[in-house]
Amino acid sequence: DTGVSQDPRHKITKRGQNVTFRCDPISEHNRLYWYRQTLGQGPEFLTYFQNEAQLEKSRLLSDRFSAERPKGSFSTLEIQRTEQGDSAMYLCASSPRQIDTQYFGPGTRLTVL
Amino acid sequence: AQSVTQLGSHVSVSEGALVLLRCNYSSSVPPYLFWYVQYPNQGLQLLLKYTSAATLVKGINGFEAEFKKSETSFHLTKPSAHMSDAAEYFCAVSVPVSGGYNKLIFGAGTRLAVHP
Repeated sequence: DTGVSQDPRHKITKRGQNVTFRCDPISEHNRLYWYRQTLGQGPEFLTYFQNEAQLEKSRLLSDRFSAERPKGSFSTLEIQRTEQGDSAMYLCASSPRQIDTQYFGPGTRLTVL
Repeated sequence: AQSVTQLGSHVSVSEGALVLLRCNYSSSVPPYLFWYVQYPNQGLQLLLKYTSAATLVKGINGFEAEFKKSETSFHLTKPSAHMSDAAEYFCAVSVPVSGGYNKLIFGAGTRLAVHP
């Protein structure tokens, strides 16, 4: 069990550019979550996958955001036309069952200049 | 609607002193409650969880929390603070939503400082 991994750990981009983050969950965890954490706040739910199906999207996820989990393993989160307000830590978590613990990755810190 | 309130955004204690971090929740269903710790520039690490078994839950690093339904509280305690406990602590409630899954709702966090 190597834990949840995320790549990259840090990303600095200019406003208007597209960025993509990757999350590799713990193997055999079929549930995968994305959260966003802004400075001084707790994480906020963005979206949820069960296997390859995206079952829920928060209203925080504007049309510029898209997430995929093509084979039910790793997931990607893409932000198009980044804005300064997108600057945050993006956290990925996975869990094996509905009410079980969510295990978090180290996060990707995005800075939009 | 489910929510979590953490009283005190900053708590400062002396090394060796009692740590008490407060968490109150609001939930329309029996809650599952969690405490996570976050060190600078890192993800969240689970400290402990309550899932309707014993009301006093013991976690890692000497932390424990007591679920009190009458007070809708789940306060985190540690008898003796250590310098390495300095971090941000988040209380969260896991709530079921349509589609058969649960999502976590977090409090705003409490930053714990430990001074010599």
